[in-house]
Amino acid sequence: KAGVTQTPRYLIKTRGQQVTLSCSPISGHRSVSWYQQTPGQGLQFLFEYFSETQRNKGNFPGRFSGRQFSNSRSEMNVSTLELGDSALYLCASRDGGALGGLAKNIQYFGAGTRLSVL
Amino acid sequence: AQSVTQPDIHITVSEGASLELRCNYSYGATPYLFWYVQSPGQGLQLLLKYFSGDTLVQGIKGFEAEFKRSQSSFNLRKPSVHWSDAAEYFCAVGPFGNEKLTFGTGTRLTIIP
Repeated sequence: KAGVTQTPRYLIKTRGQQVTLSCSPISGHRSVSWYQQTPGQGLQFLFEYFSETQRNKGNFPGRFSGRQFSNSRSEMNVSTLELGDSALYLCASRDGGALGGLAKNIQYFGAGTRLSVL
Repeated sequence: AQSVTQPDIHITVSEGASLELRCNYSYGATPYLFWYVQSPGQGLQLLLKYFSGDTLVQGIKGFEAEFKRSQSSFNLRKPSVHWSDAAEYFCAVGPFGNEKLTFGTGTRLTIIP
């Protein structure tokens, strides 16, 4: 099986712009979570989508949003970019189903999208 | 609130030496614990996980970790490190569904010849 694929790998934007990042989960996985990684704050949970519905949300402003499509692919959008949004954005997928136990709910991460805001 | 503490920001060990990376957690319910490794410019790769049962868990690349409930710890060990183990290591704790992981700040491992 192919792993979690994130595109693009690198992005450069300027303040005030908006950006959309994409994540294709492992085939069969229905849950996608997004994380932001910065040197200062470390890895922080943004939100999780399951079957096209946002189930969990971290403590981020409304400028950060996401969605999930019927094929489980997910996009994350950041509007009105700020310098502090420069980070590595990681996507993780998991099966997400109740059946199959905990082992089926391990999160598998993509390589990330490196966003630089100038 | 749940939290994970990795007290060592940076550790340097000689190739072939043993390794122990510390992780302490705070969690109100049964913790589900993980160790991930991140090489430069890459995402996170799962090394091992603890859900229940045997408190000593084996992972990939020769790593193991021991869950100690009384000490709220989940330390990662390897008997003999290889130069390719140089990376950043993250301990994480999650709820039952594991949809939201809380990570420690990471420990950067440097290997010297």
